[in-house]
Amino acid sequence: GAVVSQHPSRVICKSGTSVKIECRSLDFQATTMFWYRQFPKQSLMLMATSNEGSKATYEQGVEKDKFLINHASLTLSTLTVTSAHPEDSSFYICSASAGTVNTEAFFGQGTRLTVV
Amino acid sequence: AQSVAQPEDQVNVAEGNPLTVKCTYSVSGNPYLFWYVQYPNRGLQFLLKYITGDNLVKGSYGFEAEFNKSQTSFHLKKPSALVSDSALYFCAVRELNTDKLIFGTGTRLQVFP
Repeated sequence: GAVVSQHPSRVICKSGTSVKIECRSLDFQATTMFWYRQFPKQSLMLMATSNEGSKATYEQGVEKDKFLINHASLTLSTLTVTSAHPEDSSFYICSASAGTVNTEAFFGQGTRLTVV
Repeated sequence: AQSVAQPEDQVNVAEGNPLTVKCTYSVSGNPYLFWYVQYPNRGLQFLLKYITGDNLVKGSYGFEAEFNKSQTSFHLKKPSALVSDSALYFCAVRELNTDKLIFGTGTRLQVFP
């Protein structure tokens, strides 16, 4: 299957700082990328959908000024957690889609963010 | 609205025995259904999908799933479980006219030696 690379896999940061997470589709052009957050022992919560060259669409309750998403090219989307707080500690996962409804989405390895 | 339900939080099975992880769906129109597996601290790996065609879909690692329209189910199955199959399994359905996936709550599969 297609490969989606997410980096870093693990990051620890201090409260008040910002953290950037990258998501790259390595062998296909991702017209759409998705960012999820997963709490322990829970399902994935969709945070936002990003389309190349346009503003991300955020799900209800997700602060767009706190979770900045940029999808500058067909192979790269970034999620920046700004002014991080301990409650932002979580597992963040990206996925990428080639844009046709009958194809599967491919997921990155996930990023474990710990804010201390 | 599209949705999927995974009624079991956890499924326990002995190695070598057949396993089933249940999923039911509720959709408008034709369903696009998916199964993914997640190992600890990892992203999701695609296992298989149903779009159209044969009701029995074969996927990765020996898994298969049967699409049953009358029962609105898409249960994941494997004839002989391995300890290494122990993981978190998610059923998902494509939201109508979008790329979004709607996930079930997940089922933790534990295979005992």
